[in-house]
Amino acid sequence: DTEVTQTPKHLVMGMTNKKSLKCEQHMGHRAMYWYKQKAKKPPELMFVYSYEKLSINESVPSRFSPECPNSSLLNLHLHALQPEDSALYLCASSPGLRGDTQYFGPGTRLTVL
Amino acid sequence: GQQLNQSPQSMFIQEGEDVSMNCTSSSIFNTWLWYKQDPGEGPVLLIALYKAGELTSNGRLTAQFGITRKDSFLNISASIPSDVGIYFCAGHRTSGTYKYIFGTGTRLKVLA
Repeated sequence: DTEVTQTPKHLVMGMTNKKSLKCEQHMGHRAMYWYKQKAKKPPELMFVYSYEKLSINESVPSRFSPECPNSSLLNLHLHALQPEDSALYLCASSPGLRGDTQYFGPGTRLTVL
Repeated sequence: GQQLNQSPQSMFIQEGEDVSMNCTSSSIFNTWLWYKQDPGEGPVLLIALYKAGELTSNGRLTAQFGITRKDSFLNISASIPSDVGIYFCAGHRTSGTYKYIFGTGTRLKVLA
């Protein structure tokens, strides 16, 4: 299994809603990432987990809350989002943090009304 | 945040033509990568480069890691319609502050 899977594929939520994005990989990778991508822009790193511990937070607002329940799963909890948070949210994984290439999931298209 | 500069920004080419694009940075990277992204999908890894001067091929794709470690190049030979998409370079630095930064992207359109 060489895939990174993400659910849901599409999500529409109101500014007062609480929702979660899920990411899963079964490649035995020990580093997992969340990226945000706006239309016609490159992906921007949000969070990095290494061995299930938060390693990097790129100054992301607290309305985004990551969680890594185990080495295969990565969640992104969303609360009180703004319309400008609408974007494609990508999950990626790599064998480790140092010198390893990242493999991406298909993304969740999020729309905040 | 920091971005890598890619050129050209977009290009229209005829099927069968060769394509070249490049990526430049003001800082050094340990690894250069090239991804292709289709609309609404995640980036798919095409080629990874690990050493300065390295030249690596993947089918019709050839990429090079620049000698200065501040740039990389991607060539696509004999383009076909399914080459349409956005190509992103990415630079990975493992010394000091962790960095995995994407280029601004090259949008490729192939005319049959």
